[in-house]
Amino acid sequence: DIQLTQSPSSLSASVGDRVTITCQASQDIRKYLNWYQQKPGKAPKLLIYDASNLEPGVPSRFSGRGSGTVFTFTISSLQPEDFATYYCQQYDNLPPFTFGPGTKVDIK
Amino acid sequence: QVQLVESGGGVAQPGGSLRLSCAASGFTFSGYGMHWVRQAPGKGLEWVAFIRYDGSKTYYADSVKGRLTISRDNSKKTLYAQMNSLRAEDTAVYYCAKDVEAGRLDYWGQGTLVIVSS
Repeated sequence: DIQLTQSPSSLSASVGDRVTITCQASQDIRKYLNWYQQKPGKAPKLLIYDASNLEPGVPSRFSGRGSGTVFTFTISSLQPEDFATYYCQQYDNLPPFTFGPGTKVDIK
Repeated sequence: QVQLVESGGGVAQPGGSLRLSCAASGFTFSGYGMHWVRQAPGKGLEWVAFIRYDGSKTYYADSVKGRLTISRDNSKKTLYAQMNSLRAEDTAVYYCAKDVEAGRLDYWGQGTLVIVSS
């Protein structure tokens, strides 16, 4: 099965900061990577699909890039509502559809 | 608007069973695959199971294979998870999620909590 790692596991940042999270797959997953945001007590929300495509309605300060085994997720200017945990998830070929362990973004 | 509402969670004893339901509205349920994803308290997300739009194929995580059965009733717009032989490690919030592209989960329910404890 494909494994995903995320780095860092947590980070502290200030409003207005640029934040980047890395997701690494244990084998080539082409472009088939999604990014989700989850706030405490809430369901995850899809932000980015196919590595770099913004889900409709998601602010443009969120972006993603990468292919193969290394992917990045960036928030260009962190807003107060962006403090949350972010998960990558792969869906190359058949299940299982693995999630990464998550990156918690909190206030510095 | 798309709505997914889970129900059926609660407290069950080890070795017991529970049946989760997910009622869908706001989209053509019979046209989309569906997932169950769970999250143990304080932990990350774990994909659990997927069923194709017509129920023709199902897939499971190794952690639940043989103990969880995903099914759907397109006439009732409802997704199910029959959970048997429950273990303490099955304690989690269980989310149903709509699939767009065989692994892209675009809408999620609010989750239902399953606690396995004696």
